Amino acid sequence: DVKVTQSSRYLVKRTGEKVFLECVQDMDHENMFWYRQDPGLGLRLIYFSYDVKMKEKGDIPEGYSVSREKKERFSLILESASTNQTSMYLCASSLSHRATDTQYFGPGTRLTVL
Amino acid sequence: GENVEQHPSTLSVQEGDSAVIKCTYSDSASNYFPWYKQELGKRPQLIIDIRSNVGEKKDQRIAVTLNKTAKHFSLHITETQPEDSAVYFCAASSTGNQFYFGTGTSLTVIP
Repeated sequence: DVKVTQSSRYLVKRTGEKVFLECVQDMDHENMFWYRQDPGLGLRLIYFSYDVKMKEKGDIPEGYSVSREKKERFSLILESASTNQTSMYLCASSLSHRATDTQYFGPGTRLTVL
Repeated sequence: GENVEQHPSTLSVQEGDSAVIKCTYSDSASNYFPWYKQELGKRPQLIIDIRSNVGEKKDQRIAVTLNKTAKHFSLHITETQPEDSAVYFCAASSTGNQFYFGTGTSLTVIP
């Protein structure tokens, strides 16, 4: 059974702080994703990674960066948090680059930036 | 890039009735269409998917249909039960590296 875990369920930060969100998967998946979920906007892709140290921008990368130093771990970094980054952040992983590989989601991190 | 539109945004049905959620996509290269269910406070989970070489797929009370010509696909839930209440997301992908999600449908099944 695939397990995708995220470091925090709830996080409260102040404007300007550097924020790290961590995601770990235990199934040797190649692909990992970071999404942002907002009411009425669905899931929007921030970044994805198809291999260690490889990353690609998604639809809304501005204000975010990512790091994948190990295959099982994918980090999302907010260099200087802003209030408009208050949101639910979902990590996902999939076995490979095949379109038909199921995405497995983590439980989400609800980030509030004050 | 791909654009996925999903309707309706909210849907209420009586228990036992059917529910239909519709999605359209813009990129003819999209060839994989998964549907996710997200219960309140939980992670999205895949419930059914369809590939572009298939017109319909069924799994017990849920089914998905795909019309490639019109670029739309639909989720059908029959004999709805209260535990079907959740937010449902459609998605489209042409590669495994990027999925485009609809904006979600909040389904409420009234006992």
